[in-house]
Amino acid sequence: DTEVTQTPKHLVMGMTNKKSLKCEQHMGHRAMYWYKQKAKKPPELMFVYSYEKLSINESVPSRFSPECPNSSLLNLHLHALQPEDSALYLCASSQVGVPVKETQYFGPGTRLLVL
Amino acid sequence: DQQVKQNSPSLSVQEGRISILNCDYTNSMFDYFLWYKKYPAEGPTFLISISSIKDKNEDGRFTVFLNKSAKHLSLHIVPSQPGDSAVYFCAARQIQGAQKLVFGQGTRLTINP
Repeated sequence: DTEVTQTPKHLVMGMTNKKSLKCEQHMGHRAMYWYKQKAKKPPELMFVYSYEKLSINESVPSRFSPECPNSSLLNLHLHALQPEDSALYLCASSQVGVPVKETQYFGPGTRLLVL
Repeated sequence: DQQVKQNSPSLSVQEGRISILNCDYTNSMFDYFLWYKKYPAEGPTFLISISSIKDKNEDGRFTVFLNKSAKHLSLHIVPSQPGDSAVYFCAARQIQGAQKLVFGQGTRLTINP
């Protein structure tokens, strides 16, 4: 089973709203990732959690706040977003510790529209 | 600075023929490469990978070739099937710092019946 689930599938929010994206995996992976993908562009890494600790933050604006409550769950809290933040937000997970086995498996994404 | 490049935005192939997707990289520190396939409104699906200690890896209809001296890799799909129509992303990472995956721009493959 290589399933990563994400909710919601679609989200529309205003610039003053607060919302959260959720990601879950039950593969026993100890690394989880958030990516942002704009239309016709490749996924861009935002954050990496390794053993529930934030290990990489790719200089993402503070209006995006990640959280990893446990090894299976990853959240992305959104506040005061801009219209240019509209994109597909992808979650991924992977094993940690054996580099050639650290293939990242992606969820279906949340399509976010900021009005 | 685009470290992973897929210079063909699109490719059209007849069903049953071979599809060849190409990828170039500039960072000589990359030593592990992956191909992902993406359908619209879905997340990328892992297809096949190759370590820099190899020059070929095969899995069913999919074969990835790596030419380290040219910093070039390619994905061969044979025979091509209509269900292969998707966007294909090449990705690369360093074994050290393996969590940071760098993607190419993607190639849209269309398989014609």
